[in-house]
Amino acid sequence: SQQGEEDPQALSIQEGENATMNCSYKTSINNLQWYRQNSGRGLVHLILIRSNEREKHSGRLRVTLDTSKKSSSLLITASRAADTASYFCATPLMDSSYKLIFGSGTRLLVRP
Amino acid sequence: EPEVTQTPSHQVTQMGQEVILRCVPISNHLYFYWYRQILGQKVEFLVSFYNNEISEKSEIFDDQFSVERPDGSNFTLKIRSTKLEDSAMYFCASSETGTLHGYTFGSGTRLTVV
Repeated sequence: SQQGEEDPQALSIQEGENATMNCSYKTSINNLQWYRQNSGRGLVHLILIRSNEREKHSGRLRVTLDTSKKSSSLLITASRAADTASYFCATPLMDSSYKLIFGSGTRLLVRP
Repeated sequence: EPEVTQTPSHQVTQMGQEVILRCVPISNHLYFYWYRQILGQKVEFLVSFYNNEISEKSEIFDDQFSVERPDGSNFTLKIRSTKLEDSAMYFCASSETGTLHGYTFGSGTRLTVV
């Protein structure tokens, strides 16, 4: 079974628009993390939200977490062409401090 | 900013050959990981390493895989007898406190088995 699933799988927007990506997960978590991956490169940690937080901001990023619905969203405001990448949510399993499980990702294309 | 360094960036190997992928984690990190990503697919957990031993491994991490921290800085992934389906990007990552903080990933090694 998949721990994290992003939605949509792909998103194409115009520069300046906002991009919203959603993540659903199945088990209880103590935090949820978002990562970005530029094509063919490593993953870059963007933001971590703990299970007792509902919203967190970092620059143009806003992350929300709804533990009752087991879902999270990542909002990128005023998108730029450089935001073009794949975005992944990742969750550690509650019974493991050693294993971060990644979702399938959302491919974001920001058109100039 | 501290980085996780992986070498080589690309490796082409014959099926059945052994490969060693190398990683230098961030120096004050205590947790180390290997993940792989087959082209166009998910980032899959392979193994985590803490306190000089494997702390958790996935079903993918079978007997043909091994990890080692041969000295204070390097962290290696060995694939003993490569198969075509081992072709993937392999990412090393490290973290200070396991899953309680974000991971720092290396740029990956693209392994192609022919």
